[in-house]
Amino acid sequence: GAGVSQSPSNKVTEKGKDVELRCDPISGHTALYWYRQSLGQGLEFLIYFQGNSAPDKSGLPSDRFSAERTGGSVSTLTIQRTQQEDSAVYLCASSFTTGAYEQYFGPGTRLTVT
Amino acid sequence: TQLLEQSPQFLSIQEGENLTVYCNSSSVFSSLQWYRQEPGEGPVLLVTVVTGGEVKKLKRLTFQFGDARKDSSLHITAAQPGDTGLYLCAGAGGETSGSRLTFGEGTQLTVNP
Repeated sequence: GAGVSQSPSNKVTEKGKDVELRCDPISGHTALYWYRQSLGQGLEFLIYFQGNSAPDKSGLPSDRFSAERTGGSVSTLTIQRTQQEDSAVYLCASSFTTGAYEQYFGPGTRLTVT
Repeated sequence: TQLLEQSPQFLSIQEGENLTVYCNSSSVFSSLQWYRQEPGEGPVLLVTVVTGGEVKKLKRLTFQFGDARKDSSLHITAAQPGDTGLYLCAGAGGETSGSRLTFGEGTQLTVNP
């Protein structure tokens, strides 16, 4: 079956512009996560969705970041008024449920803010 | 803030050597996972350990969870160039993180032929 897919794979944008990053999780997975990864570094948690529960937004670095998940499937991470420090790889993962269950990652979207 | 500290941050060795990567925290986790990530791809889960003192082996890789469930190690025997990658540990069910994973900073391993 298909894995987690993300689009676009690369995005270059000018400072101050808004960007939308998309994630298609594995079908049937109820949990969806967004992470940010700087070059060669570990993963910084941003937000996660679990079923119909309110999302855990505790990792979002500022109010310029938001995410939604429509119909319990596709998710969109939106960054408004992008800054250079937003440049990173944005990874999406899904899992059957939360906790210790295996997370399946997409290939990521590399965002460059010029 | 709950932290997982990995060491070393970078490791470059010759093919055939053994190595150990450490993952330490001051907090207790209900389980700990190890992932491997190659350039341009997302991390891929290698193993999950859930019991204090647990040891799991995956071919040449041996994973151990500390008795107190605060630390873990990954040992690779007779490393091969194909082992090159970024190794990440991640804790679940921590005291402050709840049900989401907390990732370490990663260990970048390079195995030279």
